[in-house]
Formats: sequence, structure tokens, C-alpha cells
Amino acid sequence: QKEVEQNSGPLSVPEGAIASLNCTYSDRGSQSFFWYRQYSGKSPELIMSIYSNGDKEDGRFTAQLNKASQYVSLLIRDSQPSDSATYLCAVNDDKIIFGKGTRLHILP
Amino acid sequence: NAGVTQTPKFQVLKTGQSMTLQCAQDMNHNSMYWYRQDPGMGLRLIYYSASEGTTDKGEVPNGYNVSRLNKREFSLRLESAAPSQTSVYFCASSVERVNQPQHFGDGTRLSIL
Repeated sequence: QKEVEQNSGPLSVPEGAIASLNCTYSDRGSQSFFWYRQYSGKSPELIMSIYSNGDKEDGRFTAQLNKASQYVSLLIRDSQPSDSATYLCAVNDDKIIFGKGTRLHILP
Repeated sequence: NAGVTQTPKFQVLKTGQSMTLQCAQDMNHNSMYWYRQDPGMGLRLIYYSASEGTTDKGEVPNGYNVSRLNKREFSLRLESAAPSQTSVYFCASSVERVNQPQHFGDGTRLSIL
């Protein structure tokens, strides 16, 4: 059974600090990884895609992929109250698997 | 550019009633999906359509049927609604089935009494 695991949280981070969200996956052959943000009562929205080992940066967001250790992480720099949401990690190759999400709370 | 449009946004049904959830995308995507999201369970794939003319079961297909009407439209039907089908339903689409990010509609909040 292929799985994607995330700590459910809540993860509380002071405004302006770096929020670090982690995700592990079970299928060593997985190739494509995605982070989605979901505000309460809203639909998931794509933040980052990452396919290769290493870091990928987009504005305040950095996705990190380590295939040898089978984890993918999302860093949010200069955290803002508007970043408070649930963050979903997903793998989409031969199967589509979403983690259950980590709730992030940015403290003003 | 609307993206992925779902109708209706809210619906209340009685046990045993049937209904169809509609989804349309205007991004010329090949693949479309239906998910349900329940508290503590995350997003679970019900059915997907990798391309026009094909449909496949996901993780939780029982009690549902789908139709890929054309490239733009993918509908989800509940033939005999049950309280266990109370959930938020999301439609999504992607350029291709594999290795591509998905774009989600706003969701349908469905309650079965």
C-alpha cells in the first residue's frame, strides 16, 4: 500500500519566522511531488511542483526533495498570517496519493 | 478564464435519492478526477478519466458512477445516496494523468439525510 505521511499539526510558527512542513512517502520509485495549500472551506490550490532532488524556490516558498531518504519538504520564509492553512503533500505518478495535510498556524 | 467549474455548490438529499454532480474545465486538459474529502480522511480519489473516452476506479468508487461526456466535462452520479456519502466533493483536472499537477474546482458540499 503506497502511502504519503504528514504530521497533522497544528504547527504554530511566529510571524516572520520560517515554517517547515515535512512529508514522507513509501514508494521509492515515485517521481513527481506536489504541495497544495487549502484554506478552511476552500479547495486545494497548487503551490509547488518538484521532480528532481534538491531545492526549488518560488518567492517565499522552497520545496526540497530527497529521494534517497524519501521525503519532501516545504519551507515558507517570512511567514505571514495569510499562510495559515492546511498544506497537502501529494505524489502523482502511477498512483495519485495525497497526504492528510498539516495544519499551519502563523501567530501574529 | 474559469478553470474548473463545479455545480451545484451545495446540495441536501434524502437517503435513496439520486443526483449528478457536474464538472467542466476550460483549460484543454486531458485528465479529470473526482475526489471526496472528509474530516481526518484527507482527499480520496473516487474515479478518474485519464483521457476522453476512458474512466477508471480510484480508491473509493463504490456507490458512484462517472461519465466523461467530452473533453471538457466529467460528471459524478450517486444512484442511491447514503448518509456515508455526506462529504465535500472536488473535481480536478490536469494536462496529463501522470506527473502533472492538478487544478481543483471550488467543491460541492453534499449532505445526505
